[in-house]
Amino acid sequence: DSGVTQTPKHLITATGQRVTLRCSPRSGDLSVYWYQQSLDQGLQFLIQYYNGEERAKGNILERFSAQQFPDLHSELNLSSLELGDSALYFCASGDPDEQYFGPGTRLTVT
Amino acid sequence: KNQVEQSPQSLIILEGKNCTLQCNYTVSPFSNLRWYKQDTGRGPVSLTIMTFSENTKSNGRYTATLDADTKQSSLHITASQLSDSASYICVVIIFGNEKLTFGTGTRLTIIP
Repeated sequence: DSGVTQTPKHLITATGQRVTLRCSPRSGDLSVYWYQQSLDQGLQFLIQYYNGEERAKGNILERFSAQQFPDLHSELNLSSLELGDSALYFCASGDPDEQYFGPGTRLTVT
Repeated sequence: KNQVEQSPQSLIILEGKNCTLQCNYTVSPFSNLRWYKQDTGRGPVSLTIMTFSENTKSNGRYTATLDADTKQSSLHITASQLSDSASYICVVIIFGNEKLTFGTGTRLTIIP
């Protein structure tokens, strides 16, 4: 158990809809990283937050947004969903030297 | 373009045998390289982290090597076990940049 929690575990929704994925980092970690892993694809970095502020941005679509709250949990919002957004979404916490990954949320867009 | 390539894409070996996975990268400037193990449907777990000056690092039956001159790394698994069945992902971190560049992984299957 990495200490990073993600909810929900699975999510099935239709195209055009909007969903919110939630992540709670390990106790004491200020950074949260979001990743997308499509079927048979490598992990793609989406975005990083540090203590409530956006720190780094990767290949995140404009339809996606994230935020980190004062209690350090983070939410990833995905809107106008397309079939191609179906993937595993991982959250990680830690620092650049070591990141601990959560169990992931499997999103299926039908 | 910063890239990380892994080979083979998949590998099947008998339980108890050894195997070596390869990682070639073009990431520059280089900070450190990590190997992660990812069980199906679960988050990656770190196996080893190596900086520019380290040539080899072990974690139990896992031994990683790094040649920063040729930009190659390998992960050697000794006396494989059924629980080693997983994807192994090579990750390279750019110096001064907190973003991780992931390889697409090697899918390892251990058969009894």
